[in-house]
Amino acid sequence: QKEVEQNSGPLSVPEGAIASLNCTYSDRGSQSFFWYRQYSGKSPELIMFIYSNGDKEDGRFTAQLNKASQYVSLLIRDSQPSDSATYLCAVKKPSSNTGKLIFGQGTTLQVKP
Amino acid sequence: ETGVTQSPTHLIKTRGQQVTLRCSSQSGHNTVSWYQQALGQGPQFIFQYYREEENGRGNFPPRFSGLQFPNYSSELNVNALELDDSALYLCASMLASGGDTQYFGPGTRLTVL
Repeated sequence: QKEVEQNSGPLSVPEGAIASLNCTYSDRGSQSFFWYRQYSGKSPELIMFIYSNGDKEDGRFTAQLNKASQYVSLLIRDSQPSDSATYLCAVKKPSSNTGKLIFGQGTTLQVKP
Repeated sequence: ETGVTQSPTHLIKTRGQQVTLRCSSQSGHNTVSWYQQALGQGPQFIFQYYREEENGRGNFPPRFSGLQFPNYSSELNVNALELDDSALYLCASMLASGGDTQYFGPGTRLTVL
């Protein structure tokens, strides 16, 4: 079992729709969760981080964390073609005193005009 | 723009050679991590430096080594290059006392022939 799992996709949604990206993690004690966006050929760009159970909203983006289910998701409302990218979920290991992040393989999102 | 810079942008080497990649952290960030991202995969943690000392390492052989300088810039050195070392190499900086958020540089694309 991978430590952080994402469906590789592609996930295809029409412009204006809600895109839902999901991520599960194996280490129940994980504390910090991050979503990065990566355009083809570019480096990951931080979108959001979440530490507590529940929802965290930032503009069109909402991160949702459910520690009991070991599940974190990212919702993108009013999806735009410019949102087409790979979305990486990252988790900080609880036993680590470093900034080591464990990444999923990423989900490719395609927003069709 | 994250304020993290990397050089060079692209690099082509042959098997068995050695390479040095460089990273300049965001101003004030005293911690730098290096990641390797193979095509189609999420980034994998190589190691982290804090105050010029390595304080965490991923599952990479000793031929991957690093340095951090007093100005918090950093180097990744890879000896005896192998074909599988072809990847995007990312550095990420963070402030050790500022939570777990890491900001990535643009990356160096290394091709080993």
